Amino acid sequence: EVQLVQSGAEVKKPGESLKISCKASGYTFTTYWIGWVRQMPGKGLEWMGIIYPRDSDSTYGPSFQGQVTFSVDESISTAYLHLSNLQASDSAMYYCARHVGGRYSLVGVDYWGQGTLVTVSS
Amino acid sequence: QSALTQPASVSGSPGQSITISCTGTSSDVGRYSYVSWYQQHPDEAPKLMIYEVYNRPSGVSSRFSGSKSGNTASLTISGLQTEDEADYYCSSYASSGILVFGSGTTVTVL
Repeated sequence: EVQLVQSGAEVKKPGESLKISCKASGYTFTTYWIGWVRQMPGKGLEWMGIIYPRDSDSTYGPSFQGQVTFSVDESISTAYLHLSNLQASDSAMYYCARHVGGRYSLVGVDYWGQGTLVTVSS
Repeated sequence: QSALTQPASVSGSPGQSITISCTGTSSDVGRYSYVSWYQQHPDEAPKLMIYEVYNRPSGVSSRFSGSKSGNTASLTISGLQTEDEADYYCSSYASSGILVFGSGTTVTVL
């Protein structure tokens, strides 16, 4: 059974940094693009980008380029989302998401993590 | 890249059929058959309902069906049930090499 298990909720102060983890199981980690999706309170889904675990090749969504960083640790089948200089506007639910398809033929997301709620407040 | 356009809300009575539209451009929905649909209940992660325009993953009810015409994709829910009340999002691959989501539609069962 495919599972994506994310790290727990976080409360941070403005200016701090954060790393959210997403541990994959039930499939070969290096054979699927894994990505991140943001959902701000009461709002829709926003595609942040993807990373290919085999070589860490990454594509970032236009709104997130230069704002976030993706990484993976292949040895423990875990993907990470790095957020820095957090602001109140970064408060949101962040989902990791296994993508189907290739870099230039993304079909969509077939499995989702449970989400990590990030709250940024002074 | 702007979000794909969906109606904010759609409603129907139990047993009826409803259709949710997802309008993009010739650079995304109109160009590729990589349109997916997701269902999201409150405080839950999204769930894949349709992929590649009309394919259903194993375990998804046959009451859900997808189609596409030009720059607009559609999700139809037949035999509407109370459990179908949720938010629905489409997504499409875009020629800029990214995935773009729709703005989301809240389905209400009257």
